[in-house]
Parts: sequence; structure tokens; C-alpha cells
Amino acid sequence: AQKVTQAQTEISVVEKEDVTLDCVYETRDTTYYLFWYKQPPSGELVFLIRRNSFDEQNEISGRYSWNFQKSTSSFNFTITASQVVDSAVYFCALRSGYSTLTFGKGTMLLVSP
Amino acid sequence: SAVISQKPSRDICQRGTSLTIQCQVDSQVTMMFWYRQQPGQSLTLIATANQGSEATYESGFVIDKFPISRPNLTFSTLTVSNMSPEDSSIYLCSVEQGTLNTEAFFGQGTRLTVV
Repeated sequence: AQKVTQAQTEISVVEKEDVTLDCVYETRDTTYYLFWYKQPPSGELVFLIRRNSFDEQNEISGRYSWNFQKSTSSFNFTITASQVVDSAVYFCALRSGYSTLTFGKGTMLLVSP
Repeated sequence: SAVISQKPSRDICQRGTSLTIQCQVDSQVTMMFWYRQQPGQSLTLIATANQGSEATYESGFVIDKFPISRPNLTFSTLTVSNMSPEDSSIYLCSVEQGTLNTEAFFGQGTRLTVV
């Protein structure tokens, strides 16, 4: 069985603050894929990143960065210098083996001006 | 990445009626997926739809309530039948692409309210 835990239900920050969204996963498979999605108030799910279990390199894309640590089964997401447009629900997801995607419960990020 | 169009984007329906949601993809895909997201909750997979065969439903979801069609490799429909207020949710269509089908893309969702 696979599981994704996003312990932070809601985070509120002020614009320009840095914020980290936590994601902890569980799987018995050695090959797996981790994802982050953004869901703005409009409802669509926007793909942000995919990381496979063989690649522990951290990734940076503009103001976004991801820290993948197999030793702690974590795949955390940091937004640097947050903006109001970053306000959304962020989902971490896992696929391992031949299973379907399993989503965490999501973290609602509210960025105030 | 795949471009997925979902219709309608939102609807308000009377209880006891049915709504059919359409999902169109701009490229051929083997599997299409339907998810439900109840208010304030995460996404739950309803079923996997393969072209030419019956959909595979997850535990807790049945074909009579959520019939699915998959007439070709770019299109699928999900019907929410005999609706009740508990069916009020966002319904999302998804496809997978990329190496080993490990990239999942979603439509913009259908926001359904049942009154």
C-alpha cells in the first residue's frame, strides 16, 4: 500500500515570505514517482513536477524548489518570495509499482499582500 | 503535455437527475481516469477507462451510479446518475503520458452542485 501525508492543512504567509510545504510518503516499492500539483481556486489541477525514486537531486524552477530525501521519505516544496498568485491548494502525490496515483490531503496556501 | 478539455466546467443540478461530463484529449491515450474531489477533500479515483473495454471501478464506486463511456482513444464521458447533494464535488478527468506513463495531466474539472 502507498500513502502520502501532508501534515499542514493550511498555511498563511505574507507576500515575499518563503514557505515550505511538507510531504511524507510511504511505499514498499523501490521504483516510484512523486508529484506536486497546484489547484488554484478555479479548480483545475496544474502539474508542477515529477521526480522518480532514482533521482535525489533537488530541483529549482524559478521561485519553486523541491527537496527530495529518500532517507526521510520526504519530498518538500519551497516557494521563495511568495506572491498572492501562489495562493492555492497544493497536492503531493505518489505512484509506485503498477498502482494508481495516491494524493495527499493537500495544503492550502494563503498569501496575503 | 496533453491538453484536456472538460465540459461542462460547472453545473447546478436537481436531485434525482443525471449529468454527463465530457473529456476530450488532444492526443491518443490508452487510459483515461476519472477522479472525484469532494469539498475541501483530496482527489479520489473513481475509475479507469480503457478504449474498447469496460471501465475498472475503484472500491466504493459502481457502474450503475457512475457509468463511463470510452468510444475512442481521445474521448470519454462520466455520468453521475440519480444525483443527491452528496454528489456535489469537482469531477476531474486525467490522462497519463511520458516515460512509463508517469506524467499525469488533468482537465480543468467540472464543479457540480446538486440541490
